[in-house]
Amino acid sequence: IAGITQAPTSQILAAGRRMTLRCTQDMRHNAMYWYRQDLGLGLRLIHYSNTAGTTGKGEVPDGYSVSRANTDDFPLTLASAVPSQTSVYFCASSDSTGVTDTQYFGPGTRLTVL
Amino acid sequence: GQNIDQPTEMTATEGAIVQINCTYQTSGFNGLFWYQQHAGEAPTFLSYNVLDGLEEKGRFSSFLSRSKGYSYLLLKELQMKDSASYLCAGMDSNYQLIWGAGTKLIIKP
Repeated sequence: IAGITQAPTSQILAAGRRMTLRCTQDMRHNAMYWYRQDLGLGLRLIHYSNTAGTTGKGEVPDGYSVSRANTDDFPLTLASAVPSQTSVYFCASSDSTGVTDTQYFGPGTRLTVL
Repeated sequence: GQNIDQPTEMTATEGAIVQINCTYQTSGFNGLFWYQQHAGEAPTFLSYNVLDGLEEKGRFSSFLSRSKGYSYLLLKELQMKDSASYLCAGMDSNYQLIWGAGTKLIIKP
């Protein structure tokens, strides 16, 4: 069982380019999340999805889009990357049964926008 | 507004005990989480508290006081592998996690 996988592990991207970060989970979790983590700041929620077919905006959604066509996959797209989007991106999922809603994280994607 | 406060960095000695404090302010409250994050790795779940009191799990314990908006993580018998960042997160009324910036714990031999 892999849990949550993310691809790529790291990427250097020219400003203005389009980029999709991939996230796949095999735990059949309902909810999935995208966070960015920057030095000195807490994890910040970009977008989330409570169930397949639905998405919602988090704290810092501008410049990012997501889709949730099925339970397992939750890609994050940067339509036109800017240097301020340089960060480590984590995907997470939770069973979302309302008991503890513990989130489990993927290994992260380190993105550098030049 | 919503806010989580925790110390930026702490230092402790191998074999000792350390307490990492966290104060929280969330819109509604559905529990308090602690995660461990080693450098360059993903956060991993440590504990969850939703009722007042102490939850013990091996060398790690977590405490919650809802009336004070306060939690702490207690690590006993510190080992070098406990060197990591410890993230405090409060779950708000929408079941979204509000994260602190993390406490970097440095363990010295």
